[in-house]
Parts: sequence; C-alpha cells; structure tokens
Amino acid sequence: AQSVTQPDIHITVSEGASLELRCNYSYGATPYLFWYVQSPGQGLQLLLKYFSGDTLVQGIKGFEAEFKRSQSSFNLRKPSVHWSDAAEYFCAVAPFSFQKLVFGTGTRLLVSP
Amino acid sequence: GAVVSQHPSRVICKSGTSVKIECRSLDFQATTMFWYRQFPKKSLMLMATSNEGSKATYEQGVEKDKFLINHASLTLSTLTVTSAHPEDSSFYICSARRGTGEINYGYTFGSGTRLTVV
Repeated sequence: AQSVTQPDIHITVSEGASLELRCNYSYGATPYLFWYVQSPGQGLQLLLKYFSGDTLVQGIKGFEAEFKRSQSSFNLRKPSVHWSDAAEYFCAVAPFSFQKLVFGTGTRLLVSP
Repeated sequence: GAVVSQHPSRVICKSGTSVKIECRSLDFQATTMFWYRQFPKKSLMLMATSNEGSKATYEQGVEKDKFLINHASLTLSTLTVTSAHPEDSSFYICSARRGTGEINYGYTFGSGTRLTVV
C-alpha cells in the first residue's frame, strides 16, 4: 500500500544539538516530497520540497533534507536546534501525478534547555 | 509569496447548526483546493479535493452531504459543516494549489479553523 511513514512520534533534542527527523515512503515512482512544520493551533508552513535534481535540498530556518532513492527516504536535518523549532513536523508526498498530498503521522519535536 | 487566508480561525456552534469556513487565495488563482481535517495530535486527513467550477471529489468515508464544499471561483472555496454534532469538532485546514503545470509552487495552506460543537 502507498504510504508515508514517520517512525518517531516525538523526539526531544537539547538546544544547540543536531536534529534528524525520519521519513520513508512507499510509492512505485519517486513522488514529490515535502516537509512542513506546524505550530500549535496553526496551519502548515513549508520548510522545503524536492521535485528533482540535487538530492540535498536546502530550506528555510536552516533546515535541509536529503532524498535517498535507494532507501525511499527523505530525512529532515538541522545542525543546531533552537528552542523556537519546537513544533510538529510533517513529511508529505505527492504522487507523480501531482494531485493530493499524503501526510505522514507527524513527529513532535521538543527542545530542552 | 502565495497566501491563503482562512476564516474563521475559531468557531463555536450549537449542535444541529451549520458552520461555513472560507478559504481565499489572496495573490494567486487556486485551481485546486484541498480540505483537510486534523484530530488532536494526529495527522491531516484529506476530506475532499475541489477544482474550480466542478463538484468536489470526496475521500472514502467522508459524508458529502454533511461537508459541503463549494469552489465557485479561482480565489474562494468554502466548506460548510451541516447539522454539526460534537463529533465534528476538529481542526479544519484548507490547501490551495496553483495551476497544474506550475509544480514549483506546490501547495499553500490556510491557518486552520478550530471548530467546537457544543
């Protein structure tokens, strides 16, 4: 079945430490890939997206993600986390036909002092 | 950048009444609008997809007579929750996609509407 998996429900990271959030997908062809962030009670903000080309994608707020075709993964990374990064992070994919977005279950990031 | 304005941000209504949620694309034409529902601490569940001037396509299990979607113009889509019940209480988010060929613009989300039915 086609799906998007974020294996970590929540992650706690110390401020200043590095972060990696995992995302795996199961689609026949490489879909379009997105990472969104959601603060409590708010809509979603796009962090970055991958359509084609360079597999290392730079986004806003110092985030980056790497697409690995062999692993069907699109993990999100940040070298140094700030307290303001605490939020819910969603990986999403749009199948090749570029229709609806399918979301992962989300990972809640907690940042400790 | 592309902006989608969603109103109201919060609404409380009595059981049995109807509530309308609006999403407007402020600086682009949204040929396709998506409506999502998000339960507490859960992911976004796609409810329906609407293309301007066409009937919405609902996902399996979503009651089309309860959740009425209108996309009459390229800048406005509405979701009406009819005869609301407490179990309809949720966070509703719209998302707009610009065109079909401009893939680089992706999807733009509204800020969401917290619906509470009492």
